[in-house]
Amino acid sequence: RKEVEQDPGPFNVPEGATVAFNCTYSNSASQSFFWYRQDCRKEPKLLMSVYSSGNEDGRFTAQLNRASQYISLLIRDSKLSDSATYLCVVPQQAGTALIFGKGTTLSVSS
Amino acid sequence: DAMVIQNPRYQVTQFGKPVTLSCSQTLNHNVMYWYQQKSSQAPKLLFHYYDKDFNNEADTPDNFQSRRPNTSFCFLDIRSPGLGDAAMYLCATSKATSGGAWADTQYFGPGTRLTVL
Repeated sequence: RKEVEQDPGPFNVPEGATVAFNCTYSNSASQSFFWYRQDCRKEPKLLMSVYSSGNEDGRFTAQLNRASQYISLLIRDSKLSDSATYLCVVPQQAGTALIFGKGTTLSVSS
Repeated sequence: DAMVIQNPRYQVTQFGKPVTLSCSQTLNHNVMYWYQQKSSQAPKLLFHYYDKDFNNEADTPDNFQSRRPNTSFCFLDIRSPGLGDAAMYLCATSKATSGGAWADTQYFGPGTRLTVL
């Protein structure tokens, strides 16, 4: 299994839809996970941190499944402004840094 | 107020001409990272500093070097840029990292977009 792997995307959804992305990781000892959002030609910005079973912030919910080693990001009531690339980030297995997944592109249309 | 600052935002260099990108932070974070991001790809970690300790990724070419003269500043030197080095270079910082399991949130600068002619 790769250190971090994401749904390939792109996801094209209408406004108001609910969409979910999955991310699998290989380091079973990992205790912290992150979802970043990246807009075109901009830097990644932290969307959500996950340190236990999950986290919720408004329309965004992240869930952690340790047994299957994946984290998911659920976006409810999608807005046009949610269109971006969503990056899953996990601790490096052999090292002290973070590793980024390839990202999942979301396009929300009216 | 910007917390992670990168200069310049856009850099154009010639093939083989050395270039230096800079990053500064006002967060007093221990760890500073350099990532390379090419179009439609995820950021790829080049190396990072934990305090003064330099950690190079195994697949980072020797063409890429880094310096961290103090806590606030970190530089990325590309000794002989090739066409394949054209990319966005992202600097990030975090308070700490303990490795293997726990990791701290990273804060990114706006990036420097490097063009190689």
